[in-house]
Amino acid sequence: SQKIEQNSEALNIQEGKTATLTCNYTNYSPAYLQWYRQDPGRGPVFLLLIRENEKEKRKERLKVTFDTTLKQSLFHITASQPADSATYLCALNDYKLSFGAGTTVTVRA
Amino acid sequence: SAVISQKPSRDICQRGTSLTIQCQVDSQVTMMFWYRQQPGQSLTLIATANQGSEATYESGFVIDKFPISRPNLTFSTLTVSNMSPEDSSIYLCSGRQANSYEQYFGPGTRLTVT
Repeated sequence: SQKIEQNSEALNIQEGKTATLTCNYTNYSPAYLQWYRQDPGRGPVFLLLIRENEKEKRKERLKVTFDTTLKQSLFHITASQPADSATYLCALNDYKLSFGAGTTVTVRA
Repeated sequence: SAVISQKPSRDICQRGTSLTIQCQVDSQVTMMFWYRQQPGQSLTLIATANQGSEATYESGFVIDKFPISRPNLTFSTLTVSNMSPEDSSIYLCSGRQANSYEQYFGPGTRLTVT
């Protein structure tokens, strides 16, 4: 089964800066990859999906890239705001959706 | 989209007892799933709840320990049976439409077994 690794350390950034999160996987490239946001005490919320034939996807201040050669996805939050503080989960579609452990982002005002 | 609610939101239970968690979706979803999440850990899929038939369990999870029901397209229950402290975790219900890859999640049920 896939092993999914995200930034092991929490990310602390200044408001207005760009946060970059990494998701690496070990086995075959999935047909698509998703990113979710999870706030404390809440379930994950879907943010973006990128397919294996797409290099980049954008949604408002969010940008996701997908490099099947490197077996890596990058997730960017541009012009970050304190409200962006949360844990961000990478998820790969196998026959099921497999999640990484997540990266916690804290944006300082 | 779909809004998913779970009951109870949290519970503290004694070892050896059982707890049934309810999951209600505000619209029909084709697929429903149950996950477990330890604090600071990834989500682990327990099983896929199938309407009108037995759930499909992932490796390491068995029906006797985690019986699941799904009587219709908007409701499912997960029972954690004969609980031990190792079952302390957050249990999450999730749903997905057949024509979409996006999954919706409930707020979770925080279970503590003493």
